[in-house]
This record gives sequence, structure tokens and C-alpha cells, in this order.
Amino acid sequence: AQKVTQAQTEISVVEKEDVTLDCVYETRDTTYYLFWYKQPPSGELVFLIRRNSFDEQNEISGRYSWNFQKSTSSFNFTITASQVVDSAVYFCALSGNFSGNTPLVFGKGTRLSVIA
Amino acid sequence: ETGVTQTPRHLVMGMTNKKSLKCEQHLGHNAMYWYKQSAKKPLELMFVYSLEERVENNSVPSRFSPECPNSSHLFLHLHTLQPEDSALYLCASSQDHRAFNTQYFGPGTRLTVL
Repeated sequence: AQKVTQAQTEISVVEKEDVTLDCVYETRDTTYYLFWYKQPPSGELVFLIRRNSFDEQNEISGRYSWNFQKSTSSFNFTITASQVVDSAVYFCALSGNFSGNTPLVFGKGTRLSVIA
Repeated sequence: ETGVTQTPRHLVMGMTNKKSLKCEQHLGHNAMYWYKQSAKKPLELMFVYSLEERVENNSVPSRFSPECPNSSHLFLHLHTLQPEDSALYLCASSQDHRAFNTQYFGPGTRLTVL
């Protein structure tokens, strides 16, 4: 069975601090995809990144970076120099079946509050 | 308009009312989804449509009735709801229904059942 664990329920940081959101996943599939979404107070889930299981290179997009480590089944998300606009709930998700028979599995989310 | 749109954004209804939620995607996708997001619960997948055919129905009560007249529109018809059905209902779309495709979400409809 697929499972995504986001152990941090809530995180609070002061603006300009760096913050890392943890994501640990479980799957028996050799081919799988990992996602991060951002949900601001408006409610919409905003897609941030998709990575496949064969690409372990870290990715950086502006102040966002992602660290994918298959050895620890983790796909952590770091925000550098956090800003108030980063305040949101962040979801990690896993697609563990290439054939599509298993739906996308979401973690419970981490609520990030960035204080000015 | 671009992306995925949902109307209404907010809805308050009594338990005996009948209402419908509407979702429209402008991304040329072939799959559409309904999710329920309750407070302090993970996102729950309700229905999946691919090319207007339902491919997933996760034991959702019959008081929720989906309709997909074409690949760009998805409705969720509501009747005789319960207070515990109050939640944020999110619509999403993707290229096709296989889960490795990126799903793009609408802004949601916040439903309150009195």
C-alpha cells in the first residue's frame, strides 16, 4: 500500500529564516512519482513539483529546493529566506502505480506560518 | 479563463436542499476529479472521470451524484446532505486518469450544511 507521512503538523518561523518540510513515503513500486502542492488560505492547491523515482537529482527553483533520497524514502522541501506569502499548508503526494490503478495518495499536510 | 474554475466558491444549504457544484477546466485534459477536504483530515478522493466515463467511485454516499457531460465540465449534485458533509470540495483535472499525471486543482467550493 502507498503511504505518505508528513510528521510536522505545524511549523512557525520568522521571516527570512530557512525552513524544511519533511515528507516520507512508502511504496512497493519501483516506478513512482512524488509531488508537492501548496494550499494558501484561498483554498486552491497549487502544483509545485513532480519528480519520478529514477531522478534523484536535487532541484532548485528560486527560493524553493527539493531533496529526494530513495535510501531514506524521503522527499523534503526547503524554503530559503521564507516570506509571509509562503504561509500555507503544504502537501506531499505519491503516485505509486504506473498503470494508474492506484490513486494519488496525499499526506496530511504541514501548515507553515511565516511571521513578519 | 485559464486553469480550473469552480462555482460557487461558497455554498450554505439546508439538509433538505438540492444544489450542484460546477467545475470547468480549460487545460484540454481528459480526466477530472472530485475531492473532499474536511478539517484535520487528508484529502479524500471521491470520483474520477476519464473521457466522460466514471473510473473511480470511492464508496461515496449516494447523496453525492457526479455528472460529466464532456471532458471540460464536471458537476457534483448534492441532495439531503448531512452536517458532516460540510467541507471544502475540490475539483482537479489531469491529462489522463493515471495517477502519475500532474493534477491541477480549482479553488474549491466551501460547503456548509446546516
